[in-house]
Amino acid sequence: GPKVLQIPSHQIIDMGQMVTLNCDPVSNHLYFYWYKQILGQQMEFLVNFYNGKVMEKSKLFKDQFSVERPDGSYFTLKIQPTALEDSAVYFCASSRTGGALAEQFFGPGTRLTVL
Amino acid sequence: AQKVTQTQTSISVVEKTTVTMDCVYETRDSSYFLFWYKQTASGEIVFLIRQDSYKKENATVGHYSLNFQKPKSSIGLIITATQIEDSAVYFCAMREGNVGDNSKLIWGLGTSLVVNP
Repeated sequence: GPKVLQIPSHQIIDMGQMVTLNCDPVSNHLYFYWYKQILGQQMEFLVNFYNGKVMEKSKLFKDQFSVERPDGSYFTLKIQPTALEDSAVYFCASSRTGGALAEQFFGPGTRLTVL
Repeated sequence: AQKVTQTQTSISVVEKTTVTMDCVYETRDSSYFLFWYKQTASGEIVFLIRQDSYKKENATVGHYSLNFQKPKSSIGLIITATQIEDSAVYFCAMREGNVGDNSKLIWGLGTSLVVNP
């Protein structure tokens, strides 16, 4: 089936540094999402993105977070500067349509460790 | 408050049996959608099945079916004739709003299923 890719699979950085997580969504999808999963906790919605704009974001999507998809390339999540509490697995998802029925396809996640 | 609760942390069954995983949800919306996803050992998250709140009939897809009990705000996942490859973590999730709303998915903690030979 359709695949969402995430690069890298693991990233270890020092607190205060910038990190960019990359997502290669399914080719004809137009809606993009980031979720965060801290070890032992449930997955939580961060943000969704469509037509070059953030459509909705949660309180977890701090000012240090930003998303973009320049020219149809990777859909990225940038954290600048990082904090210890940003350590988590970040899942990217994409869907062809929006709406509550839209099936989201998920990537395998990027495990971010902030030291 | 929006919330999805999966109380079973881990379930172990013998293959070819039937397993039921519990999920209860909280929402103030009259319209919502309930999903089950599976996360394999490789980390891949796969959509399995969906129940629309306005539908009384339980959804069925292959050997997955749902036990939707709306008065109890419950959406159990039933897997019949389990196979070794069904071993994974199963997540229940909810999306509020109407069909056209692009609302977020709210997730449960997950239930780890181990299917033994």
